[in-house]
Amino acid sequence: AQSVTQPDIHITVSEGASLELRCNYSYGATPYLFWYVQSPGQGLQLLLKYFSGDTLVQGIKGFEAEFKRSQSSFNLRKPSVHWSDAAEYFCAVGAPMNYGGSQGNLIFGKGTKLSVKP
Amino acid sequence: DTAVSQTPKYLVTQMGNDKSIKCEQNLGHDTMYWYKQDSKKFLKIMFSYNNKELIINETVPNRFSPKSPDKAHLNLHINSLELGDSAVYFCASSHTLVRLNSYEQYFGPGTRLTVT
Repeated sequence: AQSVTQPDIHITVSEGASLELRCNYSYGATPYLFWYVQSPGQGLQLLLKYFSGDTLVQGIKGFEAEFKRSQSSFNLRKPSVHWSDAAEYFCAVGAPMNYGGSQGNLIFGKGTKLSVKP
Repeated sequence: DTAVSQTPKYLVTQMGNDKSIKCEQNLGHDTMYWYKQDSKKFLKIMFSYNNKELIINETVPNRFSPKSPDKAHLNLHINSLELGDSAVYFCASSHTLVRLNSYEQYFGPGTRLTVT
């Protein structure tokens, strides 16, 4: 079955510290991969995406993510966290073009809540 | 200049009632979606509409019916509301589903539905 696992429900880091949020997926092929962020009371915003090519992708707000095929992972990183990064982070996968799955149908993980200590 | 807007932001109603949530996007997108986020923050797609055609229906009860009067609007109508319908409902939109940028979905702020 297709699924996305975010093993950490809640992470707390100090402001200025580095951050890594984990994401693993189970899929019949290499899916398209995404990270979204949800600030309190807000909708989701796309941070970055991976379709193919370079396995290290850069996103907005200083975030990056690395795709590791051998580990079926797409971990999100940031070298120095700011207090405004406190939010819920969602990893998602989508069926690649011509795979046969529902195009545009994103499967989300259950999210990781990030708290930032001053 | 809001990209994807939803009304109302909060909706409190009793079991058995019928209610609607409205969604509008001004991004010129061809496809719109409805997602349900439960109390544990789990987000799951309910529907999508592409050029006014339903193309995904993820085993949602038929009490839920999406209605799209035009490409910029996708409303969600819910009949005979149940306690388990309490959740946050998000509308989203994207470009047409034949291009990679269709996977970049833009979300509205959500509608928190509480059924008592």
